[in-house]
Amino acid sequence: GEDVEQSLFLSVREGDSSVINCTYTDSSSTYLYWYKQEPGAGLQLLTYIFSNMDMKQDQRLTVLLNKKDKHLSLRIADTQTGDSAIYFCAEYSGGGADGLTFGKGTHLIIQP
Amino acid sequence: DSGVTQTPKHLITATGQRVTLRCSPRSGDLSVYWYQQSLDQGLQFLIHYYNGEERAKGNILERFSAQQFPDLHSELNLSSLELGDSALYFCASSPSPSYEQYFGPGTRLTVT
Repeated sequence: GEDVEQSLFLSVREGDSSVINCTYTDSSSTYLYWYKQEPGAGLQLLTYIFSNMDMKQDQRLTVLLNKKDKHLSLRIADTQTGDSAIYFCAEYSGGGADGLTFGKGTHLIIQP
Repeated sequence: DSGVTQTPKHLITATGQRVTLRCSPRSGDLSVYWYQQSLDQGLQFLIHYYNGEERAKGNILERFSAQQFPDLHSELNLSSLELGDSALYFCASSPSPSYEQYFGPGTRLTVT
């Protein structure tokens, strides 16, 4: 079955760039997503990328996709305290499942 | 604010009881998905409805059921509740199955 893996924690200093990594196993993934969850809140869709793209940039966010290695990353430039949250990688492959398959989430910790 | 609403925000009930969670999708979205978020299982896809019809099932227990009404709101029914059903339940909506999913704020269910 599908599997999405992320490291559990990432600690960065305020103002630095954060890079959150994700690997997935389903080669038929068509869309890959990054969601953000703040404490006590729902999941906020940050960005997504189609599997036929290599990169997508949206303001401070850059998504890189290496389809050969099934590796996805999210770079947050100039990390701020408001970026402190759990970041989930998710993939959608359609077919019979339809739901998203999520990783366990990466806790981004910002040091002053 | 994603435009997806869920009620109630919190629910506390006893083992063996039955509860109903409600979700209203974003205006114009025909797809509604239900997910369960727990500490041990992470985010798991439960079920997907599209324009009133069940489209796909994920890891949904037989004690759980859902429906989508003509006005497109959806309800998730959980019966014979067990302690292990305590979790955050999210619904998400999208215009159609292959589009990005927008999540509601969730319902926190506590079974005592």
